[in-house]
Amino acid sequence: GESVGLHLPTLSVQEGDNSIINCAYSNSASDYFIWYKQESGKGPQFIIDIRSNMDKRQGQRVTVLLNKTVKHLSLQIAATQPGDSAVYFCAENAFSSGSARQLTFGSGTQLTVLP
Amino acid sequence: DTEVTQTPKHLVMGMTNKKSLKCEQHMGHRAMYWYKQKAKKPPELMFVYSYEKLSINESVPSRFSPECPNSSLLNLHLHALQPEDSALYLCASSQLDLGLSNQPQHFGDGTRLSIL
Repeated sequence: GESVGLHLPTLSVQEGDNSIINCAYSNSASDYFIWYKQESGKGPQFIIDIRSNMDKRQGQRVTVLLNKTVKHLSLQIAATQPGDSAVYFCAENAFSSGSARQLTFGSGTQLTVLP
Repeated sequence: DTEVTQTPKHLVMGMTNKKSLKCEQHMGHRAMYWYKQKAKKPPELMFVYSYEKLSINESVPSRFSPECPNSSLLNLHLHALQPEDSALYLCASSQLDLGLSNQPQHFGDGTRLSIL
């Protein structure tokens, strides 16, 4: 089947620096992408999403970029803070049956913010 | 705090036990999901319910039995589980897509299940 994956399993950044987490997907039919943050002992927390008719979307301190030509997705976190330390998953939301969508996760990147 | 509530937070059971995991949401979402997550791995989809009807079963063994009694509740009944079933079980919910409208899934904090 199609897969969604991440380039780097771990990322360490200094507090205050910007972080960039990358994701590659292989299903050219994918039309919706989500970034989740998962802290230890918690469930995935929605951060930001983007539809395939967009190439950039900004939230509070976060920006998602989508390059459909190379099937690449990235999450940029500005002024990274200790509370940003977590595992970040990209996910592809693909149409399956009925009107409920099937969510396929990438393998995740562990972000560690250094003091 | 998440708007999807899962109970219990932790569960230890023997291989011959029968137990149930519960999930509740009051966001008016009509799609609900069960995922299984092993340590250091992404969540894997198990079941999807749309309008309280099972729409997707990802070839999950019959020792896992989902149930959706109403639009706010989702259960996962467990029987005769194996040690390899030990994992974090996550529930999620979302609005149903209408046409081209995409809706993110919102997750609970999961039930940490250990099979002895």
